[in-house]
Amino acid sequence: EAGVAQSPRYKIIEKRQSVAFWCNPISGHATLYWYQQILGQGPKLLIQFQNNGVVDDSQLPKDRFSAERLKGVDSTLKIQPAKLEDSAVYLCASSSATGRNEKLFFGSGTQLSVL
Amino acid sequence: QKEVEQNSGPLSVPEGAIASLNCTYSDRGSQSFFWYRQYSGKSPELIMFIYSNGDKEDGRFTAQLNKASQYVSLLIRDSQPSDSATYLCAARLAYSGAGSYQLTFGKGTKLSVIP
Repeated sequence: EAGVAQSPRYKIIEKRQSVAFWCNPISGHATLYWYQQILGQGPKLLIQFQNNGVVDDSQLPKDRFSAERLKGVDSTLKIQPAKLEDSAVYLCASSSATGRNEKLFFGSGTQLSVL
Repeated sequence: QKEVEQNSGPLSVPEGAIASLNCTYSDRGSQSFFWYRQYSGKSPELIMFIYSNGDKEDGRFTAQLNKASQYVSLLIRDSQPSDSATYLCAARLAYSGAGSYQLTFGKGTKLSVIP
């Protein structure tokens, strides 16, 4: 079974530029998450999708971050304009079910450096 | 603010010893708890989850949950150098609003197993 695919693997941009990340979840997984992991910290949820609808985006900085999941499969996360503090690894995760025993499977992440 | 606290370490144990990783959580409404292992530069990988008080064993790993004390732990028996990684504890709330069951991660404990 193929895992969660993410691209690019690394991205270096200057502040105020824009950047986009792509994620393709495990086939059949209805739930998709974007997490931000700053060095030395645990992942922090940015947005959760159930199929192509947003379930939770309460921690997404909506003035600069946006995400979409068209057709309920792959997803893109965009930052515009980027700030220095956006330097982090952006992890995409997917799961096949919700509820207390839901298990998340993570992609390899995109490491973003904002200079 | 729902929080999950972990000692950042590093925790050093000799090969063959038992490694004990601890985690506390602030929200009594948390229903299930997860341990993820994250190798340097890699994405988190699920090791175990637990939702009932007591112990749950899987191979060399044992998860322990004490809801009264709001305490979760992970024991690794017969520690191997390949177990050297950061271990993330995560707690899932019963309900965090907007139809989601948000997973909150701790900052992780770095484990080093010395040959």
